[in-house]
Amino acid sequence: DVKVTQSSRYLVKRTGEKVFLECVQDMDHENMFWYRQDPGLGLRLIYFSYDVKMKEKGDIPEGYSVSREKKERFSLILESASTNQTSMYLCASSLRTGGTNEKLFFGSGTQLSVL
Amino acid sequence: GENVEQHPSTLSVQEGDSAVIKCTYSDSASNYFPWYKQELGKRPQLIIDIRSNVGEKKDQRIAVTLNKTAKHFSLHITETQPEDSAVYFCAASIKGVKAAGNKLTFGGGTRVLVKP
Repeated sequence: DVKVTQSSRYLVKRTGEKVFLECVQDMDHENMFWYRQDPGLGLRLIYFSYDVKMKEKGDIPEGYSVSREKKERFSLILESASTNQTSMYLCASSLRTGGTNEKLFFGSGTQLSVL
Repeated sequence: GENVEQHPSTLSVQEGDSAVIKCTYSDSASNYFPWYKQELGKRPQLIIDIRSNVGEKKDQRIAVTLNKTAKHFSLHITETQPEDSAVYFCAASIKGVKAAGNKLTFGGGTRVLVKP
C-alpha cells in the first residue's frame, strides 16, 4: 500500500517564523500536492509538482513556496508564518496519468497553529 | 478556474435510511469526478469516482450519478450504517493536456452522521 508520510502531526509556531512542512512518499509517484483543509472550505490546493524541480501554483499559493529536490520528497515552506495560515495541511501523491488512475493518496496531515 | 459547490454541509440520518449529497461544478470541460471519505482523525480516501462518459456508477451500497448538461453529480449511500459517519468531499478535474496529472478542485465537504 502507498505510504505518504508527513513529518509532524502537530506544530506550533510564532508569527513571522519560517516553517517547513515535509512530505515523503514511497511509491515512486510523479505527482505530489499540498492542500490545506479548513472547515466548510474543503481542501484547497496550494501547490503541486509533477516532476523533480517542477512546481505549479494551485488555487491559494500566496504566502507559500515549495521545494522538490527529490522525487519522493515535497516540502511546503511558509516564509513568514501568519495567524491566517493556522490550518490542517495535507500532502498527497498520485501516479502521473495520461491514462486512467488519478487516485490521490493522502498523508495523515499536519495541524499547524500560528500564534 | 473550476468552482465546486457541495450541499448539504451537514446531514443526519437514521441507520438504514439513505443519504444523498449533491455537488455542482462550473467548468463544462471537467471530466473526472471523485468522492473522498474522511473519517474522524484520519486521512481522506477515495471511495468512488465517475468519468464524464458514464452517467452512473455503483459499488455495493454507494452510487454516483452525473448530469453533464446540468453540471451536477451526486453521491447516494443506501442502507446507511454507523461506519458511514464521516466527512465526504466531492471533487472535479480536467484532465491536463500535458502529462501533469489532474488538478482536483474539492467541494466544501458534507459531515454525515448516522444515528443508530
